[in-house]
Amino acid sequence: QVQLVESGGGVVQPGRSLRLSCAASGFTFTRYGMHWVRQAPGKGLEWVALISYDGSYKYYGDSVKGRFTISRDNSKNTLYLQMNSLRAEDSAVYYCARDYSNSIDYWGQGTLVTVSS
Amino acid sequence: QSALTQPASVSGSPGQSIIISCTGTSSDVGGYNYVSWYQQHPGKAPKLMIYDVSNRPSGVSNRFSGSKSGNTASLTISGLQAEDEADYYCSSYTSSSTWVFGGGTKLTVL
Repeated sequence: QVQLVESGGGVVQPGRSLRLSCAASGFTFTRYGMHWVRQAPGKGLEWVALISYDGSYKYYGDSVKGRFTISRDNSKNTLYLQMNSLRAEDSAVYYCARDYSNSIDYWGQGTLVTVSS
Repeated sequence: QSALTQPASVSGSPGQSIIISCTGTSSDVGGYNYVSWYQQHPGKAPKLMIYDVSNRPSGVSNRFSGSKSGNTASLTISGLQAEDEADYYCSSYTSSSTWVFGGGTKLTVL
């Protein structure tokens, strides 16, 4: 069965960096684009970024463009999100998710990032 | 990219039908047949209910259906059940090769 397991969340000070990881299993990772989606506490979903199946193209939401970088290692079936210059408003649960026909068919359980001094 | 517009809340009694709307622009909802809908119960990850405007993934009840007219997409839930009480989000692919979500709708089953 498809499994997406995020890790790397935690408490970080404003302006610092954090890298999230997502270990994928149960499907052929190299065939799918992958998303990061976040959800601030008590708020709605916000799309963060997408990377194509082979990493050749990447797209970002306006609020993270220039600060966050999505990447993947297909040899390790792992997705990453490098987050730099973190702000309080980046505090959220970050979900790793699989793309299917420009929708998201599988989601991880999420990892919580809290940006606070 | 502005969020798609959804009603903050809807409600219905068991057995009834409800419709949740999702309004965007010609650059997202109106421009592509890539509208999807997600159900999220408290403390859980979202679940895909509808993709490509009106397609149901395997395992999703046929009580859930989707449609689109112009810049507005809709999710219909028929034969409401207590377990349908959740937050629902729409999403669309956009002309910027990005994705946008709606603000979410809280469904209450009375």
